[in-house]
Amino acid sequence: EDQVTQSPEALRLQEGESSSLNCSYTVSGLRGLFWYRQDPGKGPEFLFTLYSAGEEKEKERLKATLTKKESFLHITAPKPEDSATYLCAVQGPTGTASKLTFGTGTRLQVTL
Amino acid sequence: DAGITQSPRHKVTETGTPVTLRCHQTENHRYMYWYRQDPGHGLRLIHYSYGVKDTDKGEVSDGYSVSRSKTEDFLLTLESATSSQTSVYFCAISESIPLAGNTIYFGEGSWLTVV
Repeated sequence: EDQVTQSPEALRLQEGESSSLNCSYTVSGLRGLFWYRQDPGKGPEFLFTLYSAGEEKEKERLKATLTKKESFLHITAPKPEDSATYLCAVQGPTGTASKLTFGTGTRLQVTL
Repeated sequence: DAGITQSPRHKVTETGTPVTLRCHQTENHRYMYWYRQDPGHGLRLIHYSYGVKDTDKGEVSDGYSVSRSKTEDFLLTLESATSSQTSVYFCAISESIPLAGNTIYFGEGSWLTVV
């Protein structure tokens, strides 16, 4: 059974204080790892897809990296508008199913 | 934003009553999904559809049924609502299975309370 564990559960940063969020996964044959951002009362918003160990993707202050066991979402010089819950999900080698297994998320708060 | 509309956005219903949530998409995507999100759990797949009248179960399908008679609409029905089905329900779509750039896009959610 695919498993995703995100840490920490919650993180409070000051504006400009860089940090990383962790997503550890167990899947027999990773087909893709996904990062989403979710604001309160909203649906998840797609950020990145990573497919193989060593891959990196960047978007503004966010950079996602992938190893064989975990992914990191690095946040450089965050701003208050980066406050959100960040979700990680993996897709294993299922057949016709398009099933993503999600972690419970990291709730990020960035203060002035 | 992906063209996904969920209705109703908020609903309070009584135990034992039937409830239908609707998801409408304007993207002509083949795959549609229903997820639920609860505290302490990640998003969990209830049912999904890979074409008109083609549906399959997810990991938490008990107590739920779905139908897809048109590409753009995917309905989730709780035949007899229970308090354990109080949750936030998200519809999602993807052009194909989420590989090679095919991303799953989520709607804004439907908050359901069963009293």
